Amino acid sequence: DQQVKQNSPSLSVQEGRISILNCDYTNSMFDYFLWYKKYPAEGPTFLISISSIKDKNEDGRFTVFLNKSAKHLSLHIVPSQPGDSAVYFCAAMNYGGSQGNLIFGKGTKLSVKP
Amino acid sequence: ETGVTQTPRHLVMGMTNKKSLKCEQHLGHNAMYWYKQSAKKPLELMFVYSLEERVENNSVPSRFSPECPNSSHLFLHLHTLQPEDSALYLCASSRDQRTTGELFFGEGSRLTVL
Repeated sequence: DQQVKQNSPSLSVQEGRISILNCDYTNSMFDYFLWYKKYPAEGPTFLISISSIKDKNEDGRFTVFLNKSAKHLSLHIVPSQPGDSAVYFCAAMNYGGSQGNLIFGKGTKLSVKP
Repeated sequence: ETGVTQTPRHLVMGMTNKKSLKCEQHLGHNAMYWYKQSAKKPLELMFVYSLEERVENNSVPSRFSPECPNSSHLFLHLHTLQPEDSALYLCASSRDQRTTGELFFGEGSRLTVL
């Protein structure tokens, strides 16, 4: 059973608008969350993270929101740019654990149209 | 230029072949990982090495055999694979196994088993 779920396989957004990528998790022991971005023919690259002691973390155009009660997090990209077109992976782990316990979602493919 | 380099980028092999995937990291990290990405599935952790010692093995079939001769190099030896083993194999590294910082991924080795 998947512990980290990204229920939207794809998302299409117009350039300049907001992109919202969603992620749900089932394991209440998860307390650290990360987003990775992957371009074709490249490995995933780290984008942004959030600890469960926060409900929001912002880095430039990227903001991650965490709703612990709903076991839900989202990544907001504002404004969206064509270069943001990629697959975005949500990942979760238990802070006291190891990177070997990082659990990934299946990914959401974002297409930003000019 | 990526700090984690994987070779070969593409590999086609028969079920009776023996081949190896190579990973090298230039980041001075102490932990290295093998992940498998199959179509429409989340990234799956296969092996974790910390300071050249294997610390996790996620019930991977013995036809996959990892080797970590030093903290900069990681191999995945392949033997008698099955067509369902066709996937993208990603190597990653991190500062240490228990850091909550990001994983640094290589570009992946696309494996096709005929």
